[in-house]
Amino acid sequence: AQSVTQLGSHVSVSEGALVLLRCNYSSSVPPYLFWYVQYPNQGLQLLLKYTSAATLVKGINGFEAEFKKSETSFHLTKPSAHMSDAAEYFCAVSAYGGSQGNLIFGKGTKLSVKP
Amino acid sequence: GAVVSQHPSWVICKSGTSVKIECRSLDFQATTMFWYRQFPKQSLMLMATSNEGSKATYEQGVEKDKFLINHASLTLSTLTVTSAHPEDSSFYICSAVAGATGETQYFGPGTRLLVL
Repeated sequence: AQSVTQLGSHVSVSEGALVLLRCNYSSSVPPYLFWYVQYPNQGLQLLLKYTSAATLVKGINGFEAEFKKSETSFHLTKPSAHMSDAAEYFCAVSAYGGSQGNLIFGKGTKLSVKP
Repeated sequence: GAVVSQHPSWVICKSGTSVKIECRSLDFQATTMFWYRQFPKQSLMLMATSNEGSKATYEQGVEKDKFLINHASLTLSTLTVTSAHPEDSSFYICSAVAGATGETQYFGPGTRLLVL
């Protein structure tokens, strides 16, 4: 069965500092992996997705993530944090390893950005 | 990009009443829509998968008679919380899969339900 573990429920960085949000997955089939961002009282917005093509995936707002099969990881990074990046971030894996399957979400990581 | 809307964004109702939440794909056809529930400070939990023209598939532990789902067209799915109780208060989020790409779920902005 698929599962996702996000390490750290809360991450705090200074503006301009590196952002690193950790995600490890477990999947019995080749995974499709996603990162979503959620602002307060809003739905989820897709940041980026991995669908078995390039292992380094670039997304919106300067975020990127690298798929590492050997480490079963899909960590999200951004070189320089901006105040507007403060939000909740969710890592997800497709439940059935395919395209239209259900998504299994991690518990989320709240990112705070200090001025 | 693909846009999904939900209506209403906020609803407050009395215990025992029913509440209908609409999920619409505005610029694409969605053969599949998903309904999630999110409790405060927690992740999204899938409630059911809705396919146009067929009965919804509910996740284990979700009462299908309480959470009625109707996917009447390729752009509209509705979730009706019947005889709502305070424990049903939550943030309900729908998503839709664009038929052409099929790889990405596009999420609505969510509906916050408060049952008094």
